[in-house]
Amino acid sequence: QKEVEQDPGPLSVPEGAIVSLNCTYSNSAFQYFMWYRQYSRKGPELLMYTYSSGNKEDGRFTAQVDKSSKYISLFIRDSQPSDSATYLCAMTASGGSYIPTFGRGTSLIVHP
Amino acid sequence: DTAVSQTPKYLVTQMGNDKSIKCEQNLGHDTMYWYKQDSKKFLKIMFSYNNKELIINETVPNRFSPKSPDKAHLNLHINSLELGDSAVYFCASSQRGSESQHFGDGTRLSIL
Repeated sequence: QKEVEQDPGPLSVPEGAIVSLNCTYSNSAFQYFMWYRQYSRKGPELLMYTYSSGNKEDGRFTAQVDKSSKYISLFIRDSQPSDSATYLCAMTASGGSYIPTFGRGTSLIVHP
Repeated sequence: DTAVSQTPKYLVTQMGNDKSIKCEQNLGHDTMYWYKQDSKKFLKIMFSYNNKELIINETVPNRFSPKSPDKAHLNLHINSLELGDSAVYFCASSQRGSESQHFGDGTRLSIL
């Protein structure tokens, strides 16, 4: 079992839909949770960052962490075709090397 | 101004050749990284440099040798290229103690 599991998709939704992207992990030492967005032929860019459990909202994006279940989510409201990309979750342990462990990414397609 | 830039963007070469990839960041960060993203999209850390010193060297064949002439540059030299080296190589940078990393757009290496 990999440390971070993420369904590769693709996930195809109509414009305006609410999208839910998820990751599970096995290392209980993970404290910092990130979501990166990667467009085709581009490098990943940091989208959201959360420390420990709870929710964080930024515009149409909400990141949720449930440490008791070792489960994190990214919700996208009112999805747009420009949201079509691969979304990678990443996480690090506190006091560590700050090198994140990445999920393999979920490919999202938002069609008009 | 591009924050993290890599050259070349594409590299097509034959097995057995030696090649180099260059990376430069203008963010003033003190830590730089090399990642390999395989065909299944897994991002795996290869090397991490802090203030020109190697701090992480994951299990990578010694055909791969990073060099950091200064804090803003991290190059990757690969000897005796093999078919399995075909992948996208990403350079990234961060400020030590920060979980967020800034990525370049990758170098797509294809071995014939």
